Amino acid sequence: DQQVKQNSPSLSVQEGRISILNCDYTNSMFDYFLWYKKYPAEGPTFLISISSIKDKNEDGRFTVFLNKSAKHLSLHIVPSQPGDSAVYFCAASEAGTYKYIFGTGTRLKVLA
Amino acid sequence: DVKVTQSSRYLVKRTGEKVFLECVQDMDHENMFWYRQDPGLGLRLIYFSYDVKMKEKGDIPEGYSVSREKKERFSLILESASTNQTSMYLCASSPTLTGFTEAFFGQGTRLTVV
Repeated sequence: DQQVKQNSPSLSVQEGRISILNCDYTNSMFDYFLWYKKYPAEGPTFLISISSIKDKNEDGRFTVFLNKSAKHLSLHIVPSQPGDSAVYFCAASEAGTYKYIFGTGTRLKVLA
Repeated sequence: DVKVTQSSRYLVKRTGEKVFLECVQDMDHENMFWYRQDPGLGLRLIYFSYDVKMKEKGDIPEGYSVSREKKERFSLILESASTNQTSMYLCASSPTLTGFTEAFFGQGTRLTVV
């Protein structure tokens, strides 16, 4: 049973435009959400996170939005750059359980 | 900077071999994790540890075991390697028990079982 889902395996966006990556979850006990970026043959690197008491968190070009009622979060990248081309994973955590549950990833390609 | 180091970037092992994957973190983190990444399946949790000598099964523990004798080191053991264990293995650590912080990943080990 996939508790964290990324339904779009891939996304292509023109350089300078907005990239929107989506993630849905089923477990209402999740209270912390994260986005990671992964290049081939490297480990994932942390991008941005949001706790369930917020609905938006911004860090430079990256903004994460959380809609708790819809159990949906999204990552916006504005403006998109070719170096943003990577696989993006969303992850969720429930306080006290220690572990992070990851989605299947979305491969973003930013076209120059 | 937090550093999580995995002992090998690439490994090729034969079916039936016992395989050890080693991971060391240098930030005194309580929690350590082993994930595997496969195309279309994302990152799946194999085992995690929240303290020395403590371990818990993740979502796909079958065919694996772990060892955490020291706080900074977490080992993943494939008791008898099989071809379906060919994958990218990722070690991670995190500093708290509450989950309200990010996990830091190593560079990954690409294991091929032939």
